[in-house]
Amino acid sequence: GQNIDQPTEMTATEGAIVQINCTYQTSGFNGLFWYQQHAGEAPTFLSYNVLDGLEEKGRFSSFLSRSKGYSYLLLKELQMKDSASYLCAVRDRNRDDKIIFGKGTRLHILP
Amino acid sequence: KAGVTQTPRYLIKTRGQQVTLSCSPISGHRSVSWYQQTPGQGLQFLFEYFSETQRNKGNFPGRFSGRQFSNSRSEMNVSTLELGDSALYLCASSLKAPPGQGPYGYTFGSGTRLTVV
Repeated sequence: GQNIDQPTEMTATEGAIVQINCTYQTSGFNGLFWYQQHAGEAPTFLSYNVLDGLEEKGRFSSFLSRSKGYSYLLLKELQMKDSASYLCAVRDRNRDDKIIFGKGTRLHILP
Repeated sequence: KAGVTQTPRYLIKTRGQQVTLSCSPISGHRSVSWYQQTPGQGLQFLFEYFSETQRNKGNFPGRFSGRQFSNSRSEMNVSTLELGDSALYLCASSLKAPPGQGPYGYTFGSGTRLTVV
């Protein structure tokens, strides 16, 4: 089967840095996505990793280690608008590239 | 350009009834996927359609079905509704199947919130 684990909730302070971890188990890893979802809104694409290493995009970075089945999303210079759920999703080539989501991490930003 | 449009936004149905939800993808997108989102389970994959063919299916009972039309619009149907079917149903469209990153990735609609009473 496929298992994606991420913390249920995290809290951080405005201006700080937060790292949201995601671990996965899949037989045919073919890419990992991070999405952001504000309450009551649609998820929006943040990043995609298919090779090991760090992908940086402004205040957000995503890291992948395929050998460890591990990824993290790093958010710098936190702003109040970053309060949202962050969804880790994995594509499995052994399941016709189906994209499976984790349950999401709800991030609360304190002033 | 217009985004992914899902109708209706909200729906209340009674146990045992059936429901049809609609999704109009971004113009030019031929792939449409459906997900069920609940607080306890997160996003769970229902099915994926590409060029009117079901390309992939999740682990939901046969009461859940879908289809895609020649204009790429998609519908999903749930028959014999149960209380546990109450959820946000999200549709995502993409240029390619499977979806990739950036412009080739998923664009989600705002969802249809279904409440079964």
